[in-house]
Amino acid sequence: DIQMTQSPSSLSASVGDRVTITCRASQSIANYLNWYQHKPGKAPTLLIYAASSLQSGVPSRFSGSGSGTDFTLTIYSLQPEDFATYYCQQSYSTPGTFGQGTKVEIK
Amino acid sequence: QVTLKESGPVLVKPTETLTLTCTVSGFSLNNPRLGVTWIRQPPGKALEWLAHIFSNDEKSYSTSLASRLTISQDTSKSQVVLTMTNMDPVDTATYYCARTQRITLLRGVIYYFDYWGQGTLVTVSS
Repeated sequence: DIQMTQSPSSLSASVGDRVTITCRASQSIANYLNWYQHKPGKAPTLLIYAASSLQSGVPSRFSGSGSGTDFTLTIYSLQPEDFATYYCQQSYSTPGTFGQGTKVEIK
Repeated sequence: QVTLKESGPVLVKPTETLTLTCTVSGFSLNNPRLGVTWIRQPPGKALEWLAHIFSNDEKSYSTSLASRLTISQDTSKSQVVLTMTNMDPVDTATYYCARTQRITLLRGVIYYFDYWGQGTLVTVSS
């Protein structure tokens, strides 16, 4: 199975900050990388697919980049509704493993 | 409007078999670009991919759980069913089903989960 490692595991940030979350795959996965946002008690939502394609309806302050083994999710100008846990997920091969998550908390 | 809804028992005993049903609406399970994936999240832990199924009956399972999982679908009922045998307290989790979209890119086919059910909490306890 491909292992996905996110960093940091958690971070504290203020509204308006730029936040960067990284995800590293244990082998090259080209651009087969998706990002999800998960709030407590709710279903996860898709933010980014294919490493950098913004899902319809997702605010443009979310941006994804990377290829191969290293990927980044950037949130430009963090908003109050962005405090959540973020997961990367590879779909290069099954099982489609997730990272361990990055919790974004209010500073 | 695309919706997915998980249903099944909230409590199962150790060694029992869990059967979960995902009822979908707003899309067809016969669509070759679409499938359904089951994903779970134990309390306080990360999301875990379990199994997926597509319209051509293509199936795939978690490596560590393959011997315990079976996924199937009834397209006439718009339902996908996941069974997990020999349940253990460590299987306590919120179980989600998610619509799985497959798209063709230059390099190949990628899939992602664009709609999710609200999840159902399953507790394993005697």
